[in-house]
Amino acid sequence: GAVVSQHPSWVICKSGTSVKIECRSLDFQATTMFWYRQFPKQSLMLMATSNEGSKATYEQGVEKDKFLINHASLTLSTLTVTSAHPEDSSFYICSARPPDSGNQPQHFGDGTRLSIL
Amino acid sequence: DAKTTQPTSMDCAEGRAANLPCNHSTISGNEYVYWYRQIHSQGPQYIIHGLKNNETNEMASLIITEDRKSSTLILPHATLRDTAVYYCIVRPYSGNTPLVFGKGTRLSVIA
Repeated sequence: GAVVSQHPSWVICKSGTSVKIECRSLDFQATTMFWYRQFPKQSLMLMATSNEGSKATYEQGVEKDKFLINHASLTLSTLTVTSAHPEDSSFYICSARPPDSGNQPQHFGDGTRLSIL
Repeated sequence: DAKTTQPTSMDCAEGRAANLPCNHSTISGNEYVYWYRQIHSQGPQYIIHGLKNNETNEMASLIITEDRKSSTLILPHATLRDTAVYYCIVRPYSGNTPLVFGKGTRLSVIA
């Protein structure tokens, strides 16, 4: 079945560092990928929609200059948390669906746990 | 905003059927009902989806009421590994609309 892979699974870094998270669709081409964030004991919140070859669409309240999204190919989207601070510590999850797949489910990566010291 | 309401938590004895309800009274004619679950520190896992007919797969059964305003996810023989947060989500059939998650139901399977 369709699989979405995310890397790294865990990252710890110092405040002020920029961190890049990769999301790959392994057996289908994804013109659109989605990025979510999840704080402890809360549900997933959609951050942005990543579109291959064009600019990402950000949800209200998500800073586009803080969370840079690049979707340079049909199988790879990256999320870069720039100048990360402790409040950016969270569980980041990407997701994708095969294009033109109608009602077929959206598939999720295993997430990246980001801890900023 | 999520268009579904679910109980915050439920318990189920190991080996028994777990029945998880979901209300989606404002569901539109072109919206499907999807169920996902999230085990601690993992990404959401797809379980099942349906439009108006009952559905069954190797993981679960989905019962949708005739008026489509509510549904029930059934895990026929719950195991400890089924302990997770279960999310019921409605989404249009067409387009690339992302899934919007509500708070889900935390299911605890007890030995």
